[in-house]
Amino acid sequence: ETGVTQTPRHLVMGMTNKKSLKCEQHLGHNAMYWYKQSAKKPLELMFVYSLEERVENNSVPSRFSPECPNSSHLFLHLHTLQPEDSALYLCASSQSLATGNQFFGPGTRLTVL
Amino acid sequence: KNEVEQSPQNLTAQEGEFITINCSYSVGISALHWLQQHPGGGIVSLFMLSSGKKKHGRLIATINIQEKHSSLHITASHPRDSAVYICAASLVYGSRLTFGEGTQLTVNP
Repeated sequence: ETGVTQTPRHLVMGMTNKKSLKCEQHLGHNAMYWYKQSAKKPLELMFVYSLEERVENNSVPSRFSPECPNSSHLFLHLHTLQPEDSALYLCASSQSLATGNQFFGPGTRLTVL
Repeated sequence: KNEVEQSPQNLTAQEGEFITINCSYSVGISALHWLQQHPGGGIVSLFMLSSGKKKHGRLIATINIQEKHSSLHITASHPRDSAVYICAASLVYGSRLTFGEGTQLTVNP
């Protein structure tokens, strides 16, 4: 499999649940990103990892917890979310932080009840 | 005010029409990106450019660095071009992207 994959594609969870989103890239890239896309809003950068180290945390609430165990995998752990967290969560990767061309995954459509 | 602004927000065209989507930015950039997002969410990178003009099939992207403006043109539009087109700017340092709000394009047969 090539490119950037995300699982699950759809997720419905209650406010007390704990779930995780997974992203995997098969491109040999060193940088990975989590974005949130809410209706009628521009994409918002949440987290940036470079060589498995978090280099940017864009004032994201602590109920979102990223994890990057290696350069190919990125997780977003979710707990005690709010209905306003319902959105499309997109993962992307790039060769490095210095290169701007990012490759996006298909996204996870999250609904918080 | 968003650092990257697109116009129009919504655009409806008839098949075969020439389409232009505009993007203006107010920050120093190293590159300007045009992305396409189809229903269902997946985003595809169409162009990354820092000067001049690039062409791929029926798509043409131009950028004017002095005016801080870029345009995406679609020639001989087709219903399968219907998607959200997003302009994004790479800031001067690093690959952090700042996104416009997107333009919803609908091409009717």
